[in-house]
Amino acid sequence: NAGVTQTPKFRILKIGQSMTLQCTQDMNHNYMYWYRQDPGMGLKLIYYSVGAGITDKGEVPNGYNVSRSTTEDFPLRLELAAPSQTSVYFCASSSGELFFGEGSRLTVL
Amino acid sequence: DQQVKQNSPSLSVQEGRISILNCDYTNSMFDYFLWYKKYPAEGPTFLISISSIKDKNEDGRFTVFLNKSAKHLSLHIVPSQPGDSAVYFCAASATGANSKLTFGKGITLSVRP
Repeated sequence: NAGVTQTPKFRILKIGQSMTLQCTQDMNHNYMYWYRQDPGMGLKLIYYSVGAGITDKGEVPNGYNVSRSTTEDFPLRLELAAPSQTSVYFCASSSGELFFGEGSRLTVL
Repeated sequence: DQQVKQNSPSLSVQEGRISILNCDYTNSMFDYFLWYKKYPAEGPTFLISISSIKDKNEDGRFTVFLNKSAKHLSLHIVPSQPGDSAVYFCAASATGANSKLTFGKGITLSVRP
């Protein structure tokens, strides 16, 4: 009963480092999303995908990249980490209703 | 420019009483509204939704009311239980928007025993 799985759960990065947040879902959903949540704020959409091979920008895409080579996986890449990217990141997939992963807490120092 | 607004950051109610969580929106294209509940260190989980063709949807202790003319919706929890203590996010989407949701900032509900 995995649903949406994100890794890692926690990560500390130095400014300028790069990393990939992994997201996989086993519900065969076409739609997948990456959101970030800053303290006291709602979730902001970074990128989304409507199916394998198709991705599009959300509200706050700068500093991030995504790919969708399979239906199951939707990794989020940070190329040059900045302190402004310190946040909690949530991956989600949708069949009409969004199912979220448990989140990945990223700190950039 | 917040399209979904939850103006009260927190709410505290006594166990057994009603909790009313409010949400306002500005985008008239929104036609589907959802409430998500979030516990600390967990992802949000779906609670209840309502389409713009309805003005009320009920699921057990949870009822969502939609007032389209006022661009306002509310979530009622009756009776409130300590396990309901969480952050509640209001979200909205528009048909044809690839199910993209716009979220409010959330309301922290505390239910006192």
